[in-house]
Amino acid sequence: ELKVEQNPLFLSMQEGKNYTIYCNYSTTSDRLYWYRQDPGKSLESLFVLLSNGAVKQEGRLMASLDTKARLSTLHITAAVHDLSATYFCAVDTGNQFYFGTGTSLTVIP
Amino acid sequence: DTGVSQDPRHKITKRGQNVTFRCDPISEHNRLYWYRQTLGQGPEFLTYFQNEAQLEKSRLLSDRFSAERPKGSFSTLEIQRTEQGDSAMYLCASSFRGPNTEAFFGQGTRLTVV
Repeated sequence: ELKVEQNPLFLSMQEGKNYTIYCNYSTTSDRLYWYRQDPGKSLESLFVLLSNGAVKQEGRLMASLDTKARLSTLHITAAVHDLSATYFCAVDTGNQFYFGTGTSLTVIP
Repeated sequence: DTGVSQDPRHKITKRGQNVTFRCDPISEHNRLYWYRQTLGQGPEFLTYFQNEAQLEKSRLLSDRFSAERPKGSFSTLEIQRTEQGDSAMYLCASSFRGPNTEAFFGQGTRLTVV
């Protein structure tokens, strides 16, 4: 069965700092998505990565995909409190999305 | 179209009762997915439809669970003889079948079995 592992699982960072969340997966796929989830809420789509080398940026977040390494990263630049949430990567196998374990991010003033 | 809609948003039921949830996908999307999420975990795949055909089911979907998508539009997920372990958030998502298969999620139905 496909495994999707994120690290770290928990991340506490100060405002203004940079950090990267990693998503490793165990099967061949060139489609990967990043979602944000606030407590008690549903999943909000952040990035759609559809090919090797894809890089997308939105505000303080940037996502990339290396299909050869089976690795995606979500980079946070100059974190602000509003980014506090849980972030999931999801690998698309064509029939379903396999979600990672999630990274719970807390940005401290 | 305002996105994927799920009903109800919250459901509290007694153990042993049957419950049914509804999902209305984005109208032009032909794929519809059901996921279950428990506290502190990522969503787990339950099943998906392409149009009206149910193409894949997870082992998580025991015989107490059934999903339908008549006419390839809205979908229902029924849980019979609910158990406390069924308490979770049930998420529905829809997407196109095509180069960009980005899935959009509904607000979810939170089920509590007491």
